[in-house]
Order: sequence, then C-alpha cells, then structure tokens
Amino acid sequence: DGGITQSPKYLFRKEGQNVTLSCEQNLNHDAMYWYRQDPGQGLRLIYYSQIVNDFQKGDIAEGYSVSREKKESFPLTVTSAQKNPTAFYLCASTDRGRKSPLHFGNGTRLTVT
Amino acid sequence: EDQVTQSPEALRLQEGESSSLNCSYTVSGLRGLFWYRQDPGKGPEFLFTLYSAGEEKEKERLKATLTKKESFLHITAPKPEDSATYLCAVLSNSGYALNFGKGTSLLVTP
Repeated sequence: DGGITQSPKYLFRKEGQNVTLSCEQNLNHDAMYWYRQDPGQGLRLIYYSQIVNDFQKGDIAEGYSVSREKKESFPLTVTSAQKNPTAFYLCASTDRGRKSPLHFGNGTRLTVT
Repeated sequence: EDQVTQSPEALRLQEGESSSLNCSYTVSGLRGLFWYRQDPGKGPEFLFTLYSAGEEKEKERLKATLTKKESFLHITAPKPEDSATYLCAVLSNSGYALNFGKGTSLLVTP
C-alpha cells in the first residue's frame, strides 16, 4: 500500500544536539511538506519542496534545515538553534495538482530536555 | 494574510445528537478548502475538498458545505467513533501549502 512513513515515532534528545527526522513516501508525489503541531495551535509550515533539489522556507523555518536529494525522501533536521524544538512533527505529500489534498504520515513526537 | 478560524474549540455531544463545526476563513482567492480528521497521536486523515461557494460533499454521517466566508462540517447522529479533532485548511491562489485552523476537538459520549 502506498503511503508516507515517518520514523521514529518517538524521539528524545538532549538540548544542544541536532536531530534528523525521516520522511519517506511511495506515492510518487512531487511535493513534500513539513509541519509542526503544538497543543492548542494549528499546523504550522516549516519547509516545503515541490521538486527534487529544490525547497522553500515556510512560516517557521528558523532553526530547521531540509534536503530533497530523492523524490521519495524529505528529511528534516532540527538544529540546536531551534529554541523550542519539543513538538509533534508531521510530514505530508501531494501530487502536482495544486488543488490536491495533502496526505500525511503519522508523525514523530520529538522531546528535547 | 490568509486566516482560518475554527469554532468551537471543543464540543461534547451525546451519541445521536447532531451538530455543526464552523470554519471561517479570509483568503486572497480561494483555490480549495479542506477538512481533515485527526486522531490522537496520528497524522490528519483527509475528508473533503470544497472549491466553490454552494458546494456540498457527504461521507457517511459527515456533510461539508461552503460559502464565500465559511464552511460547516455537519455531523448527523454522531457515534463515539466520530470522536476526534477536525481540522480545516485553505489553499489560496498564491499559496503552495495549506494554511490550517487550530481545530475543533469533538467528543461523542454513549
């Protein structure tokens, strides 16, 4: 079955360490996205990529970095510069149609202490 | 700037008690309005896309409607398994990503 796989489901890190969240999709979608979700807040866009080797900052990109070397993969690195990294991170993808719905993975919950 | 406001923040219903969730939006040209369902600890699950005022879509006990300023998600005779957070999002003419509201947390009790 096609879908989006995020791993790991839970991730724990010490403050000051960089950490990379994995996102893989086998839906043959061109566009991929990273959102952050905090309690009581909507999903906020971190980065998005419409094609391989190209990506754009979203509303809250500071302290994050991404790469898009393969169509199937869009890893997110949470750097030590991110002031409040503890959150639920969601990866999504969609095909070229700009009216197409996003398909989401099941998220990674990152806890930084 | 696009804005999406969902109300109420939380809603508690008895099983069988129909109600509606609201999504008000301000956007510079609407390309689509999307409804998602999210269960705790999971990613959002797509429900509906609405493109123009007057459009309606249905799926089981859910019906989504759209006007020029807001969308409603009507839940008819809900069951406990309908308990979830319902998210509304808009895609504008100039945007490449969905802009989400904060969601409505629905609890349906037996």
